[in-house]
Amino acid sequence: GQNIDQPTEMTATEGAIVQINCTYQTSGFNGLFWYQQHAGEAPTFLSYNVLDGLEEKGRFSSFLSRSKGYSYLLLKELQMKDSASYLCAPQTGANNLFFGTGTRLTVIP
Amino acid sequence: EAGVTQFPSHSVIEKGQTVTLRCDPISGHDNLYWYRRVMGKEIKFLLHFVKESKQDESGMPNNRFLAERTGGTYSTLKVQPAELEDSGVYFCASSPPGTGRYGYTFGSGTRLTVV
Repeated sequence: GQNIDQPTEMTATEGAIVQINCTYQTSGFNGLFWYQQHAGEAPTFLSYNVLDGLEEKGRFSSFLSRSKGYSYLLLKELQMKDSASYLCAPQTGANNLFFGTGTRLTVIP
Repeated sequence: EAGVTQFPSHSVIEKGQTVTLRCDPISGHDNLYWYRRVMGKEIKFLLHFVKESKQDESGMPNNRFLAERTGGTYSTLKVQPAELEDSGVYFCASSPPGTGRYGYTFGSGTRLTVV
């Protein structure tokens, strides 16, 4: 089976840095995606990690440890528009994505 | 480039009725996926098409759900007869041929309410 665990909610201040953790157990593993989803909208692609280590893309970075079944998403210089749900999604060998419940991030002034 | 489009955006139907959801993937994307998010729960995989073939339908809840992708273009997901627990947001996603590392592009979803 699949099990993905991430915090339900987080709050952070505008301009700050926040780290959203995700642990996972899946049957087969290709890589791990992070998606952002604003309320009522489609999830949008943020990052994909297949190898261990840190992938940096502008204000967003994502880290993966395959041996530990662990990933995190790091958001720097937080902006109000970053308030959204962040979805950790391991990709299994069948090329399917499995999602956690998501972390609802609220950015406050 | 047009994104993944889903129709309708909202649907309210009575228990026992039939509803058909449609998804138009990005042109050239062989992979098409259906997902569902029930209120308060995680987004759950339903099934995966590669072109017109069902690659994996292990997430389909029961035989009231029927997905098709004739000609390998758009896909439909029919719920017949609908039950209250079928309410939720149904997302479609597509990705290019290959391992999917390019990211899955999601549609905005169809919000289905069964009353």
